[in-house]
Amino acid sequence: NAGVTQTPKFRILKIGQSMTLQCTQDMNHNYMYWYRQDPGMGLKLIYYSVGAGITDKGEVPNGYNVSRSTTEDFPLRLELAAPSQTSVYFCASSTTGTTHSFFGQGTRLTVV
Amino acid sequence: KQEVTQIPAALSVPEGENLVLNCSFTDSAIYNLQWFRQDPGKGLTSLLLIQSSQREQTSGRLNASLDKSSGRSTLYIAASQPGDSATYLCAVRVQGAQKLVFGQGTRLTINP
Repeated sequence: NAGVTQTPKFRILKIGQSMTLQCTQDMNHNYMYWYRQDPGMGLKLIYYSVGAGITDKGEVPNGYNVSRSTTEDFPLRLELAAPSQTSVYFCASSTTGTTHSFFGQGTRLTVV
Repeated sequence: KQEVTQIPAALSVPEGENLVLNCSFTDSAIYNLQWFRQDPGKGLTSLLLIQSSQREQTSGRLNASLDKSSGRSTLYIAASQPGDSATYLCAVRVQGAQKLVFGQGTRLTINP
């Protein structure tokens, strides 16, 4: 089983550039999440989705956008990259809001 | 606002020892608590999930307990091995919110 797959694994962006972090899951999970992890810190929720066509903001949504057109995919868009967005980004999914969360391998993003 | 704290931030023990990792949270209104393992440069792997109505969960050499009223959870690792070296994160699922709130983690090193 592939589980949760994130691409790319690493990326360097220049300030002001845009990019999309891809996330796909093959477990037919309704719930999907995007977190960021800064060095020495816990993970913070950026956006989440409870099903196709439904998204909502988490704790730190500024500078990001998401869409959920299918159950499998939940891409995260950075429109104008800033150094403060340098972080490791994790996508996760779960069957419901109260079951085990499964995480992807992460995308390490550096904005210079 | 829910806050999750893990103490200590780092722990180093010789192989074979039994050890306890601690997690505390400020608001007892949780659905569940989850313990994760994170290896360097990797995603998170779910170890144990304890529902708010449960007191403990066991998987192999791991045992997690939950005392919701006091806002505490412990992860007990029996007969530690060098392969247990990783960062261990706890996270609580907040009632009424679709998110996990994470602690900063405990970096565990098991010395051969």
